[in-house]
Amino acid sequence: SQTIHQWPATLVQPVGSPLSLECTVEGTSNPNLYWYRQAAGRGLQLLFYSVGIGQISSEVPQNLSASRPQDRQFILSSKKLLLSDSGFYLCAWSKTGRVNSPLHFGNGTRLTVT
Amino acid sequence: GQSLEQPSEVTAVEGAIVQINCTYQTSGFYGLSWYQQHDGGAPTFLSYNALDGLEETGRFSSFLSRSDSYGYLLLQELQMKDSASYFCAVRDLEQAGTALIFGKGTTLSVSS
Repeated sequence: SQTIHQWPATLVQPVGSPLSLECTVEGTSNPNLYWYRQAAGRGLQLLFYSVGIGQISSEVPQNLSASRPQDRQFILSSKKLLLSDSGFYLCAWSKTGRVNSPLHFGNGTRLTVT
Repeated sequence: GQSLEQPSEVTAVEGAIVQINCTYQTSGFYGLSWYQQHDGGAPTFLSYNALDGLEETGRFSSFLSRSDSYGYLLLQELQMKDSASYFCAVRDLEQAGTALIFGKGTTLSVSS
């Protein structure tokens, strides 16, 4: 069966510090991968999605970036965090080649920028 | 771009029936999905409608009318554990590939 791992679960970082969140998927090949952010009590905002290694599409211009160095690894980064980057970051995957494939989410990382 | 509208909050009692509506605007529609998220947890998939009509999965049903750009999630025989946020979401292949665009969510509170 497929599993998705996301870490860390919680993170407190000062303004201006760098960020690296990692997500890995097991049990499937060439998944579509996604990063979403959820502000407190709000909906899910699509940040990035990837259909293959090195292929990243950005939905919202900001100081965040994403990379996919391996087939089942998706990394969210920032060089300098802002207070507004606080939120709940969710990684997700879906099956490639099936447009109606549901998204499967990791347990998320709760980021607080102080 | 895309936009989805759903009520922000709904309250109900155990055993009741609740309908959560969702209207959407998107240029390249490819199905309406529903997800459930308990407080502090990850969203989980509930249902998907690509064609008009009703899809039933146990106590939950989902409906779609593409001509009206409208759908709803129907929850029957409500239980306390159904207290959660519910999100409708659409795929717009032209704008965001296979990614889902989510509404802001409806918080359902079930009381005894």
